[in-house]
Amino acid sequence: EIVLTQSPATLSLSPGERATLSCRASQSVSSSLAWYQQKPGQAPRLLIYDASNRATGIPARFSGSGSGTDFTLTISSLAPEDFAVYYCHQRHNWPLTFGGGTKVEI
Amino acid sequence: QVQLVESGGGVVQPGRSLRLSCAASGFTLSNYGMHWVRQAPGKGLEWVAVVWSDGSDKYYADSVKGRFTVSRDISKNTLDVQMNSLRADDTAVYYCARGRSGSSIFDYWGQGTLVTVSS
Repeated sequence: EIVLTQSPATLSLSPGERATLSCRASQSVSSSLAWYQQKPGQAPRLLIYDASNRATGIPARFSGSGSGTDFTLTISSLAPEDFAVYYCHQRHNWPLTFGGGTKVEI
Repeated sequence: QVQLVESGGGVVQPGRSLRLSCAASGFTLSNYGMHWVRQAPGKGLEWVAVVWSDGSDKYYADSVKGRFTVSRDISKNTLDVQMNSLRADDTAVYYCARGRSGSSIFDYWGQGTLVTVSS
């Protein structure tokens, strides 16, 4: 099973600041990595797929990069609605796995 | 528009069974791989199972293999999961999610249904 390790666990920032979230895989997942955003009481929402492709309707301030084992989600300038938990997810190998999440808090 | 609505959650005793359903609208379920993903209270996401678009292939997480069975009703455009021999650690919100364009990228999610396994 591929283990995804997200860091940091919590990121404390202010609106307008840049957020950099990391996801490291225990073995290569090529570019088969996605990022999801989850707000309290809501279902996750797809942000980025295949490491760097923004999903439909996702603002340009969200960007993803990386391949192999190291991936980054960057939010260039945090909007108030961006404070949430972010999960990475790999679909390269079965079973599908998620990282433990990074909480972006004010 | 695409919508997924789960139902069937509730409180169930350990060892008992429960069946969850996910009603799809705005697309034809049989054209997509469909997944179940769960989230224990205060915890992260865990993939549970998938049924592929042709309906013939199904995969399960080791934690539920042999106890959970995923199925589809094409006529109703619904996805089900039959959960048997439930354990306390099955307690979670269960989401159904659509796989984007035949992949395992979850592009649409339902709102989730809570299953609590407790005596």
